[in-house]
Amino acid sequence: NAGVTQTPKFRILKIGQSMTLQCAQDMNHNYMYWYRQDPGMGLKLIYYSVGAGITDKGEVPNGYNVSRSTTEDFPLRLELAAPSQTSVYFCASSYSDSELGNTIYFGEGSWLTVV
Amino acid sequence: GENVEQHPSTLSVQEGDSAVIKCTYSDSASNYFPWYKQELGKRPQLIIDIRSNVGEKKDQRIAVTLNKTAKHFSLHITETQPEDSAVYFCAASNTDKLIFGTGTRLQVFP
Repeated sequence: NAGVTQTPKFRILKIGQSMTLQCAQDMNHNYMYWYRQDPGMGLKLIYYSVGAGITDKGEVPNGYNVSRSTTEDFPLRLELAAPSQTSVYFCASSYSDSELGNTIYFGEGSWLTVV
Repeated sequence: GENVEQHPSTLSVQEGDSAVIKCTYSDSASNYFPWYKQELGKRPQLIIDIRSNVGEKKDQRIAVTLNKTAKHFSLHITETQPEDSAVYFCAASNTDKLIFGTGTRLQVFP
């Protein structure tokens, strides 16, 4: 198993450009997440999905969009990139057990700089 | 929604000493409390977790305790080693989403 795979690993964007961060998992996890981590800071939840066709906002969704057309893929779309979106983006997935909780596994991260 | 507070933000200890990191959560329905370790430039890695039906869990030098009444949980690292130096995050979850604390930078000096 490759686990959670994110692409690209590094990207520089100009203000106003758009891009999509790709995320795929091969563990048949039903839950997927996108977090951002600003330098020296904690992880903030952007969007999450509990299954194909279902997405929901997290703590900091503004400026982003997601889709979940398959169980494996959960792309994050940045529209009109702004310097405030300079961050490391982590995709994650988990198999949810409603009684015992869900263990989350992270991808390696995507470093995004908006200039 | 859930809010997780974590203290201290930085912690320096001598090698061999113990380190304790504390977290509080706001949503009484949260039932899963993992701890992650993140080294510089790397992804967060799960080191231990505890579920709401358990009060304490140990794994070698690492232990976690949970007080559901007070809504707080703690990470204990004994006999610290330089390789324990990293940023540690607590988190709390109520089924759908995992909310993280702000992190503790632990430095272990030889």
